[in-house]
Amino acid sequence: EVQLVESGGGLVQPGGSLRLSCADSGLTFSSNWMHWVRQVPGKGLVWVSRIESDGTTTNYADSVKGRFTISRDNAKNTLYLQMNSLRVEDTAVYYCARGEGSAGPAQWGQGTLVTVSS
Amino acid sequence: QSALTQPASVSGSPGQSITISCTGTSSDIGNYKYVSWYQQHPGKAPKLMIYEVNNRPSGVSNRFSGSKSGNTASLTISGLQTEDEADYYCSSYTSSSTWVFGGGTQLTVL
Repeated sequence: EVQLVESGGGLVQPGGSLRLSCADSGLTFSSNWMHWVRQVPGKGLVWVSRIESDGTTTNYADSVKGRFTISRDNAKNTLYLQMNSLRVEDTAVYYCARGEGSAGPAQWGQGTLVTVSS
Repeated sequence: QSALTQPASVSGSPGQSITISCTGTSSDIGNYKYVSWYQQHPGKAPKLMIYEVNNRPSGVSNRFSGSKSGNTASLTISGLQTEDEADYYCSSYTSSSTWVFGGGTQLTVL
């Protein structure tokens, strides 16, 4: 079964930085749009960012715009989320997901927990 | 980017049908066919159940169906089973080239 595996989560202080990775074991990574979605434990899903298949077009939620950067390395089948100027309210489980055009997230990884706390 | 509006909870008995609504605006649900529904069991990743309003991915039971009218989308689950008890989220593409989720609905199978 094709899997998405996130890594890079952990504890970071407010104002700090963290880079999340998402490794895709599938054969079509370079053809897929990719998303990051986050979820505060016990709360709802919140869309964070998306990148088109060739990496040239990206979009962000207003809450992370200017602080987070989504990128991808199609040669390594890996998606990234660089998170800077982290805030306590960025604490969440971060999921990567494979998408099909404008249809949005389809196949999801298992998530990685990011905790922003002093 | 306001969240789509879903009821906080719905419930039903095994074998019954339930419907979960998801209300947006003309900037999202009302203007696009890109409405999806996700099922999430506790501690698990979300699972896509419906995409593009009323399409089921391979492997999803035909007891799950979706529809849309104006700015409101709906998920119907027929023949409720105990394993359907989970949280359900809707999402939509928006005119800002972003996506927005609903607040989630907790389904209890009594």
